[in-house]
Amino acid sequence: GIQVEQSPPDLILQEGANSTLRCNFSDSVNNLQWFHQNPWGQLINLFYIPSGTKQNGRLSATTVATERYSLLYISSSQTTDSGVYFCAVDPSFQKLVFGTGTRLLVSP
Amino acid sequence: NAGVTQTPKFRVLKTGQSMTLLCAQDMNHEYMYWYRQDPGMGLRLIHYSVGEGTTAKGEVPDGYNVSRLKKQNFLLGLESAAPSQTSVYFCASGFSHRGDEQYFGPGTRLTVT
Repeated sequence: GIQVEQSPPDLILQEGANSTLRCNFSDSVNNLQWFHQNPWGQLINLFYIPSGTKQNGRLSATTVATERYSLLYISSSQTTDSGVYFCAVDPSFQKLVFGTGTRLLVSP
Repeated sequence: NAGVTQTPKFRVLKTGQSMTLLCAQDMNHEYMYWYRQDPGMGLRLIHYSVGEGTTAKGEVPDGYNVSRLKKQNFLLGLESAAPSQTSVYFCASGFSHRGDEQYFGPGTRLTVT
């Protein structure tokens, strides 16, 4: 089946710093989503981005489907950005395959 | 719109007991999904449904059954719970087979002792 790899696995930032999270996938996909799982376990949809670039406030994402990767940019990080960031892809129109996540800690 | 809701939020079971988790969505989505998340891992698909009255197996279906009697509800059953089923369970829903966005519920934390 499709492989989804996220890097880095762990990231520690000072508040205000910028970061880039990467998601590589091994096959073509019909859907790619980025999620933030907050410390309370809630999954928050960040982006639905099978291709192209989107921005939402301090966050932006780019997916290059032909090269099988996606990037999530976090600018001016805040402590509330802490948690785990998951990339998930849909290789077959019906189900998401999740990566193992990037654990982010933003310290004040 | 409540979006995707799950009941219960927490549950503790003894080995061998049974239970049913309920997922409800009010977005008129055709597709519904059950995932599990184990510590330090991403979510894995248990079962899914492409419409009322249909179900299909996902990546880790053993030990679970599902039913979709109404379009807005998707039930996940554990007939004889095992400690290996201790996990957080997430329900999701989406519009269609076109690779559309999936929307997730808040999760159910299940512990089997």
